[in-house]
Amino acid sequence: DAKTTQPNSMESNEEEPVHLPCNHSTISGTDYIHWYRQLPSQGPEYVIHGLTSNVNNRMASLAIAEDRKSSTLILHRATLRDAAVYYCMGDYGGSQGNLIFGKGTKLSVKP
Amino acid sequence: DTEVTQTPKHLVMGMTNKKSLKCEQHMGHRAMYWYKQKAKKPPELMFVYSYEKLSINESVPSRFSPECPNSSLLNLHLHALQPEDSALYLCASSQGPGTTNYGYTFGSGTRLTVV
Repeated sequence: DAKTTQPNSMESNEEEPVHLPCNHSTISGTDYIHWYRQLPSQGPEYVIHGLTSNVNNRMASLAIAEDRKSSTLILHRATLRDAAVYYCMGDYGGSQGNLIFGKGTKLSVKP
Repeated sequence: DTEVTQTPKHLVMGMTNKKSLKCEQHMGHRAMYWYKQKAKKPPELMFVYSYEKLSINESVPSRFSPECPNSSLLNLHLHALQPEDSALYLCASSQGPGTTNYGYTFGSGTRLTVV
């Protein structure tokens, strides 16, 4: 299985941008890169995903390196509600499709 | 409807009991998943159903028995569980293989305690 590497934890100040890095050097060329976040006692929540190009949505931006060996999730203005564990992973699809979670990054946001 | 609904939210069962977890989605998704999550750990994939057929079983013990009666419903039947099986059980769904890659939708989970 392709694996991802993320920092165990990161801290941010409220209303400042946050850049969450992820290394996925063994991801295949057809696997999408997904980001999810999980608040305590809740299920994971979809944040964003992409294949090769940078992606934006209302929650975040995803910057994917040209060689696809790494990506960065960008929260443009962190709020207290963004404090969560953020998971980066590949969708090891092929003919089936499934998400394999890595250890994730616990993001703390200080007021 | 853009949700995955899991019931019950909490379940306490004895080691000799038989119980079932239920998961439902009405988004037309053709792939459904069961994950198990222990405290302070990431979710671990258990089963994948694709077009109502079991496509992945991640070497899960037979005391866990999945069932997909139709494209909207996924069950997990539990029998003779051990205390170490206590965890948050998460259900998820996605558009499924062979389609443009979309995000996955997760339910809020069932918190299972085995006594």
